[in-house]
Amino acid sequence: AQSVTQPDIHITVSEGASLELRCNYSYGATPYLFWYVQSPGQGLQLLLKYFSGDTLVQGIKGFEAEFKRSQSSFNLRKPSVHWSDAAEYFCAVGADSGAGSYQLTFGKGTKLSVIP
Amino acid sequence: SQTIHQWPATLVQPVGSPLSLECTVEGTSNPNLYWYRQAAGRGLQLLFYSVGIGQISSEVPQNLSASRPQDRQFILSSKKLLLSDSGFYLCARGYRATNYGYTFGSGTRLTVV
Repeated sequence: AQSVTQPDIHITVSEGASLELRCNYSYGATPYLFWYVQSPGQGLQLLLKYFSGDTLVQGIKGFEAEFKRSQSSFNLRKPSVHWSDAAEYFCAVGADSGAGSYQLTFGKGTKLSVIP
Repeated sequence: SQTIHQWPATLVQPVGSPLSLECTVEGTSNPNLYWYRQAAGRGLQLLFYSVGIGQISSEVPQNLSASRPQDRQFILSSKKLLLSDSGFYLCARGYRATNYGYTFGSGTRLTVV
């Protein structure tokens, strides 16, 4: 079965600083990988996804993520954080659950705080 | 549009009262539908998922049940709420035959008092 680990429960960065959120996955085949963001009291919004091809994926809001198969990682990055990026971030791996259905397994999330 | 509608947005219910949360989705037919719960500091907990009308899979035995009476309608219910049922409930849809990830609703904040 697939699994996702987000080692950092809470990260605090200063506005304008760079950001990297870590994600490690476990899956026997080529993974489908996702990053979602959740603002307080809101649903989850898709930031970016990786299926195949270029291992550096660009997403919305200036985020990018790099797939590294050798490290089983899919870390999320942003060169300069804005105060509005304060939210909770979830990494997920998707797998075929049979009959053409896909199921996502989520990490426990990383809460990002931004200091002005 | 693949919009998901969830209501109500906020709910305060006494212990022992019943619960019904509704989720309806727009867009392509025969979606996979999911109910998740977030309790403080516990991430996303998958409660139920459905691959079709009347088909419900339960991931966690608990005080809740789910039903799918129509293709684009998914309902989360309880006959008697417990304090531990408090949390943020999210409905999500997946896409058959393609792994585009999930689309999430805006959630329902349930407080059991």
